[in-house]
Amino acid sequence: AQSVSQHNHHVILSEAASLELGCNYSYGGTVNLFWYVQYPGQHLQLLLKYFSGDPLVKGIKGFEAEFIKSKFSFNLRKPSVQWSDTAEYFCAFSVQKLVFGTGTRLLVSP
Amino acid sequence: NAGVTQTPKFRILKIGQSMTLQCTQDMNHNYMYWYRQDPGMGLKLIYYSVGAGITDKGEVPNGYNVSRSTTEDFPLRLELAAPSQTSVYFCASRNRDRGPWEKLFFGSGTQLSVL
Repeated sequence: AQSVSQHNHHVILSEAASLELGCNYSYGGTVNLFWYVQYPGQHLQLLLKYFSGDPLVKGIKGFEAEFIKSKFSFNLRKPSVQWSDTAEYFCAFSVQKLVFGTGTRLLVSP
Repeated sequence: NAGVTQTPKFRILKIGQSMTLQCTQDMNHNYMYWYRQDPGMGLKLIYYSVGAGITDKGEVPNGYNVSRSTTEDFPLRLELAAPSQTSVYFCASRNRDRGPWEKLFFGSGTQLSVL
């Protein structure tokens, strides 16, 4: 079955710490991969996406993600988080429909 | 606990036909959303509602209508289907703002093709 696993359900970091959120998907073929973010009180937004080409994808607000096909992974990274990065982050992949992970709640303390 | 339930899962429409995508949640959530995902693209917000009787447009509302007569239900109406509305539609809900932890619950999606 197609599925997405996000390893961390809750992450708490101090400002300026580095971030890496894990994401693994279960599908044997070609996929499109996404990270979405939901800031407090706001709607879901697209953070970045991977369709093909360079496996290192850069998104908005200093985020990046690396697609490692052999590991079926698409981990999200940011070198130095800010308080404003407090949000919930969803990994997703798309074949015929969008399959979401369960989300990772990130709290960045000032 | 059913969560967010969308029906139908698949539908093919002819140009000009109309239909309603149903969305029901049993979590007593105030906020409900309709998103569409075009092939290979991310989600875009169509309409949302912050409570019964209150709806508002999102990024791409043209060609759609919604209503929110009850807390549980948030149907999306397509009046005159067009090929540009071929997409996968997701309904979502969450509770009222209570800090940074409001989780968004998604339905399983409706795949719609307009031919």
